[in-house]
Amino acid sequence: DGGITQSPKYLFRKEGQNVTLSCEQNLNHDAMYWYRQDPGQGLRLIYYSQIVNDFQKGDIAEGYSVSREKKESFPLTVTSAQKNPTAFYLCASGPPDNYNEKLFFGSGTQLSVL
Amino acid sequence: DQQVKQNSPSLSVQEGRISILNCDYTNSMFDYFLWYKKYPAEGPTFLISISSIKDKNEDGRFTVFLNKSAKHLSLHIVPSQPGDSAVYFCAARPGGNDMRFGAGTRLTVKP
Repeated sequence: DGGITQSPKYLFRKEGQNVTLSCEQNLNHDAMYWYRQDPGQGLRLIYYSQIVNDFQKGDIAEGYSVSREKKESFPLTVTSAQKNPTAFYLCASGPPDNYNEKLFFGSGTQLSVL
Repeated sequence: DQQVKQNSPSLSVQEGRISILNCDYTNSMFDYFLWYKKYPAEGPTFLISISSIKDKNEDGRFTVFLNKSAKHLSLHIVPSQPGDSAVYFCAARPGGNDMRFGAGTRLTVKP
């Protein structure tokens, strides 16, 4: 059963703590993405990766870091430098360099600050 | 800088009637447009798309219209069903891998 799996579904972060959100896909997609959703603001692009060992910053990359060591995995770390991390985080994947293709989304991770 | 705008945060319609969701964009480089449907605590799911070479695309009860000169697109749902109640996101791509989303419109279809 192909798809994108995000974990955990809910995550709490303490002040000054780094946390990592997991995203795994078995769709054999080369491109993967991280979006952040805030109420009333839609989805904003944090980082994306078109191929293993390569990634680019999106519109709001400050305070976040990513890695792409495997095609299937694209973890997102929310660092202590991200001062307003509370949001719903969505991971997506899709074929690379083919803009007439839709993205497939995971079910999301809700991150809250304690 | 919101390049994709959905100015109506919510819409309520009666079951069986038409739902019209609107979206405006500012970037003339956008040439591929999509609509996604999202339920609470879930990821968005693809609904329908349209390329800029077309002005209409239809899939069952869902039709997307594109007016390039006005930089406007709309999603029509006919007839609306209670199961259509969700948040609908408009998205646009300027080529490559960069997809921009609007803020979403919450549709409520009343029985």
